[in-house]
Amino acid sequence: NAGVTQTPKFQVLKTGQSMTLQCAQDMNHEYMSWYRQDPGMGLRLIHYSVGAGITDQGEVPNGYNVSRSTTEDFPLRLLSAAPSQTSVYFCASTPGGPNNSPLHFGNGTRLTVT
Amino acid sequence: TQLLEQSPQFLSIQEGENLTVYCNSSSVFSSLQWYRQEPGEGPVLLVTVVTGGEVKKLKRLTFQFGDARKDSSLHITAAQPGDTGLYLCAGGEGGSEKLVFGKGTKLTVNP
Repeated sequence: NAGVTQTPKFQVLKTGQSMTLQCAQDMNHEYMSWYRQDPGMGLRLIHYSVGAGITDQGEVPNGYNVSRSTTEDFPLRLLSAAPSQTSVYFCASTPGGPNNSPLHFGNGTRLTVT
Repeated sequence: TQLLEQSPQFLSIQEGENLTVYCNSSSVFSSLQWYRQEPGEGPVLLVTVVTGGEVKKLKRLTFQFGDARKDSSLHITAAQPGDTGLYLCAGGEGGSEKLVFGKGTKLTVNP
């Protein structure tokens, strides 16, 4: 079982560059989400999606875009990277809402912006 | 925005000791989840509690949800080095599509 797959595992960007963090799940989960994890800050919700074609903002959405064209994929786009976006990014999915069923996390993408 | 305060932030103990981690909020949650995260990996669910006063046991780990559903605790008995990791609590509000995480407790169990 692949579960939630995130690519790449590591990425270094220069300020102003753009990139897309990929997230794919093979469990047919409707709900998908992106979190960032910073030292001493815990996990903060960036964007989430309750199904294909539907996305919404989380706690820290600025600087990030998402789309959900299929149930399986939920990419996170950084249009113009900033050093403040240096973080570890986690994608997570769950069959129903996150209050009703546990989140399944990927192993993260460690992003450094110089 | 609902907030979850976890304490302590760091905990270093010897093998065989007992410990308790706390997760507190001024808000009422419909459910509270506990996750454990190891370095280089994503968090993995340990347990979900949904009823005020509920107690769940997972081997040497005991989880409790407060009567008012505003707080929770995780108690580990006779800690082992394999318990080392980051423990995260996460609360959900009924009808909300968002899960709020605490900042975590980093536990180190020394042999």
